[in-house]
Amino acid sequence: GQQVMQIPQYQHVQEGEDFTTYCNSSTTLSNIQWYKQRPGGHPVFLIQLVKSGEVKKQKRLTFQFGEAKKNSSLHITATQTTDVGTYFCAGPGNFNKFYFGSGTKLNVKP
Amino acid sequence: DAGVTQSPTHLIKTRGQQVTLRCSPISGHKSVSWYQQVLGQGPQFIFQYYEKEERGRGNFPDRFSARQFPNYSSELNVNALLLGDSALYLCASSTRDRTIGTEAFFGQGTRLTVV
Repeated sequence: GQQVMQIPQYQHVQEGEDFTTYCNSSTTLSNIQWYKQRPGGHPVFLIQLVKSGEVKKQKRLTFQFGEAKKNSSLHITATQTTDVGTYFCAGPGNFNKFYFGSGTKLNVKP
Repeated sequence: DAGVTQSPTHLIKTRGQQVTLRCSPISGHKSVSWYQQVLGQGPQFIFQYYEKEERGRGNFPDRFSARQFPNYSSELNVNALLLGDSALYLCASSTRDRTIGTEAFFGQGTRLTVV
């Protein structure tokens, strides 16, 4: 069945370092979304990418959608302690299903 | 405006029992989706309802069922609870059918523990 994988599973960085998480789908996605979940919280929508090769920026966050629309990445420049949480990619699948990736848990040391 | 509200926030049930979880979407949102999130994993899609019709179903057994009411609120029912059903159950609402791409807003979830 369809799978959405993310790497790495965990990332520990020093405050100020950069961070990147990668998302790979076994099938082509019509769109991809990114969410952030703080410890003990619920997923919060960050962004949606739709076009092949699309790049979007939100302050220190840069999101990319691959040319084949099967992979995506989230890059955070100069991490801050407020960036701590788990980052998920998600996208629609066959038969009106919706898939979340396994997530990348980011820990930022001050 | 109120966000997505779920009730109850926490619940403890015994194996074999049945449970009903409730979700009220953001006003004006017609789509409600349900997810199961086991600790340390990503949310797993259970159902999506749009305009009171089931629009998508994940790979969950028939013990799981849901419905959406005329006011767009929704209930998730789980019968014959198993220990493995222990998880955070999340409800998400959106303005449109999720599969065509739209932002979703999640509730705080219901933490279900089956003992």
